[in-house]
Amino acid sequence: DGGITQSPKYLFRKEGQNVTLSCEQNLNHDAMYWYRQDPGQGLRLIYYSQIVNDFQKGDIAEGYSVSREKKESFPLTVTSAQKNPTAFYLCASSLASWAEAFFGQGTRLTVV
Amino acid sequence: AQSVTQLDSQVPVFEEAPVELRCNYSSSVSVYLFWYVQYPNQGLQLLLKYLSGSTLVKGINGFEAEFNKSQTSFHLRKPSVHISDTAEYFCAVNTGNQFYFGTGTSLTVIP
Repeated sequence: DGGITQSPKYLFRKEGQNVTLSCEQNLNHDAMYWYRQDPGQGLRLIYYSQIVNDFQKGDIAEGYSVSREKKESFPLTVTSAQKNPTAFYLCASSLASWAEAFFGQGTRLTVV
Repeated sequence: AQSVTQLDSQVPVFEEAPVELRCNYSSSVSVYLFWYVQYPNQGLQLLLKYLSGSTLVKGINGFEAEFNKSQTSFHLRKPSVHISDTAEYFCAVNTGNQFYFGTGTSLTVIP
């Protein structure tokens, strides 16, 4: 089935460690996005990519990094510079930048 | 920058009663409008979308929404809710190159 796969669903890390969240899609979508979700704050855009080997910062990019080496993959690294990394992370993709976004099931990251 | 306002953070409603979830946005330029639903610990699922054409759009699970350009609103409605509609609902606006999401409305259906 076509869709977006995020892994793992739950992730625990110690403070000061970098961690990479996986996002893969087989929808042949050009655009991919990473959002962070905190209670009562909705979704905030971290990074987005509209084409392979190109990506742009969103509203809260500090402490995060991404790569887009393949069309189907858009991994997010949460670095030790991110001051409050515990959150629910959502990956999405869309056929074009104006089209509906399809979401993965999310990764809940807890840093202890 | 675009802003999306969901006027009610929580909406309790009795089963089989009608419901309206309100959404207003700030842009006066052409936009694309969406409503998504999120169940606990899951991703977002598209309920419906407005890209162009008729201002009344119908979506899945009996939901519909009306685009009002003059009031820059896109309210979501359902004539009769079910227990299974209990979830978080997000309004989203796309200006052509980026999505902007509201902070969500938590709908609780009371038996």
